[in-house]
Amino acid sequence: DAKTTQPTSMDCAEGRAANLPCNHSTISGNEYVYWYRQIHSQGPQYIIHGLKNNETNEMASLIITEDRKSSTLILPHATLRDTAVYYCIVRAYNQGGKLIFGQGTELSVKP
Amino acid sequence: GAVVSQHPSRVICKSGTSVKIECRSLDFQATTMFWYRQFPKQSLMLMATSNEGSKATYEQGVEKDKFLINHASLTLSTLTVTSAHPEDSSFYICSARVWVAGDSSYNEQFFGPGTRLTVL
Repeated sequence: DAKTTQPTSMDCAEGRAANLPCNHSTISGNEYVYWYRQIHSQGPQYIIHGLKNNETNEMASLIITEDRKSSTLILPHATLRDTAVYYCIVRAYNQGGKLIFGQGTELSVKP
Repeated sequence: GAVVSQHPSRVICKSGTSVKIECRSLDFQATTMFWYRQFPKQSLMLMATSNEGSKATYEQGVEKDKFLINHASLTLSTLTVTSAHPEDSSFYICSARVWVAGDSSYNEQFFGPGTRLTVL
């Protein structure tokens, strides 16, 4: 079973920041938080991952709470091409942990 | 990022036939590959984990005799759906775990574009 809970769907206006929350209250000390997204009829695309510090790359920022029980993925300037299902996944990094997908959040970016 | 390809991208077959799907890591060596299945409006479901040169490990409820997985090299894994039936119609996605020489901590996973299987 997936160890995360996410809202089923969210809307965001084009050009605005999209903030996608994820709860992972049972996360273990050796588990990282991963974010992937899946555009319709394509394979999932890696976005970002983190352990306890906030992370930023060219696609997004990941904010993890101090107790690590939740996190937020931030797309700073959402575009129409960011419309996708976003999956938050927890996984042990160096121990062969499998990526188990939950239901994800369907993000719709609107003009 | 690393590139994973799948072939074919879509296939239509008659009930009772077998279908082979290829998954290749194009610019890296993948010691481990994963196979997922996705039905419409649903999330990805992990079917099996495949390590190069060894037998695949199947998730609970996945029939290993129906979904044959071969991982003969560090860049190729195949999934064969044997005696396919309409209920096997689905979107099959493979994923490859990157292995970087000299860095045992690198463990990223990249996905192929998927194969749409339709069984008539």
